[in-house]
Amino acid sequence: DGGITQSPKYLFRKEGQNVTLSCEQNLNHDAMYWYRQDPGQGLRLIYYSQIVNDFQKGDIAEGYSVSREKKESFPLTVTSAQKNPTAFYLCASSHRDRPSWGYTFGSGTRLTVV
Amino acid sequence: ELKVEQNPLFLSMQEGKNYTIYCNYSTTSDRLYWYRQDPGKSLESLFVLLSNGAVKQEGRLMASLDTKARLSTLHITAAVHDLSATYFCAVDAGTGTASKLTFGTGTRLQVTL
Repeated sequence: DGGITQSPKYLFRKEGQNVTLSCEQNLNHDAMYWYRQDPGQGLRLIYYSQIVNDFQKGDIAEGYSVSREKKESFPLTVTSAQKNPTAFYLCASSHRDRPSWGYTFGSGTRLTVV
Repeated sequence: ELKVEQNPLFLSMQEGKNYTIYCNYSTTSDRLYWYRQDPGKSLESLFVLLSNGAVKQEGRLMASLDTKARLSTLHITAAVHDLSATYFCAVDAGTGTASKLTFGTGTRLQVTL
């Protein structure tokens, strides 16, 4: 079955550490996205990529970095510059030319600073 | 900058009652999506609305889009407890390489017996 796989499901980060969240899709979607969700809030866009080797900053990119070396993969690194990283992170993908197909979301990674 | 506003933010309703959630957005768009989220879970796609006047129905939920008013509604008919969740609308105001979703703040729905 096609879908998006995020790992790990839970992640704990110490102060000053960089951590990387994985997002893999086998839907043959062109575009991939990272969103952050804080408790009781909506989703905010961190980074997005429409094609391989290209990506754009979203609304809250500071303290995060991404890469898009393969169509299937869009990992997100939370750097030590992100001062308040505790949140629920969701990865999504879509087909650029098929808006009616909508956006598919992964199951999420819950990141906690310890 | 695109703004997406939902109201109400919280809705407590009795089983069997009807209610409507509103989603207003600030920029021209004809692509609007509704999602459901259960506590601690990811987003489940409910409706994709891609033109002015679009109406979609699934069970007790019906969504509509008025692009001229920049308004979408999610109507709940005869609510049941299983509909308790948070509902988000999201707008895609981009084209081609700029396509991306901007989310509303969500409406937390609680259906009581």
